[in-house]
Amino acid sequence: GENVEQHPSTLSVQEGDSAVIKCTYSDSASNYFPWYKQELGKGPQLIIDIRSNVGEKKDQRIAVTLNKTAKHFSLHITETQPEDSAVYFCAARETSYDKVIFGPGTSLSVIP
Amino acid sequence: DAGVIQSPRHEVTEMGQEVTLRCKPISGHNSLFWYRQTMMRGLELLIYFNNNVPIDDSGMPEDRFSAKMPNASFSTLKIQPSEPRDSAVYFCASSPGTSESGELFFGEGSRLTVL
Repeated sequence: GENVEQHPSTLSVQEGDSAVIKCTYSDSASNYFPWYKQELGKGPQLIIDIRSNVGEKKDQRIAVTLNKTAKHFSLHITETQPEDSAVYFCAARETSYDKVIFGPGTSLSVIP
Repeated sequence: DAGVIQSPRHEVTEMGQEVTLRCKPISGHNSLFWYRQTMMRGLELLIYFNNNVPIDDSGMPEDRFSAKMPNASFSTLKIQPSEPRDSAVYFCASSPGTSESGELFFGEGSRLTVL
């Protein structure tokens, strides 16, 4: 089955700096790669996703890139703000129905 | 829409007791997922349903765990008997269940503590 790895496990940046989180996946048949943000005491919430036929996608301060050949995908957050502090999860969807496998998560701290 | 509703939000029980967690998915969503979150293992997929039918339960830890979805608006996850290592946050999520939309909508979670 699919296996998703994520680095780093913790990340601390100064407010205004950029943050980058990287993931790899194992199943070359996976075709959908979402990113979720989880705030303390809440469930994860989708912030951006990318499909296998696209190499990059942007939404305001966040962007995601995908390299299908290398089976890598990354999340980029620019001009970070304190409210970006949370745990971020990458994920990959297997081709069978909607099974979504999550990476281990990255705890991001943005220091004011 | 009220979103995915889970109950109870917190449960403290003693080892050996039966625990039942409940989930109401978003109306119209065809897929429902149960995840378990711990510091050590992260977000683990336990089981998921499509159109009320269990599709993959390979993540269910052992026979002490069972899940049902008797209709499109209700699912339960049961642990019997519970053990301290079952302590975790259990999330239910629903999804439209189409290839065009893969977004999972999570509930607020049920925090289980087994003493």
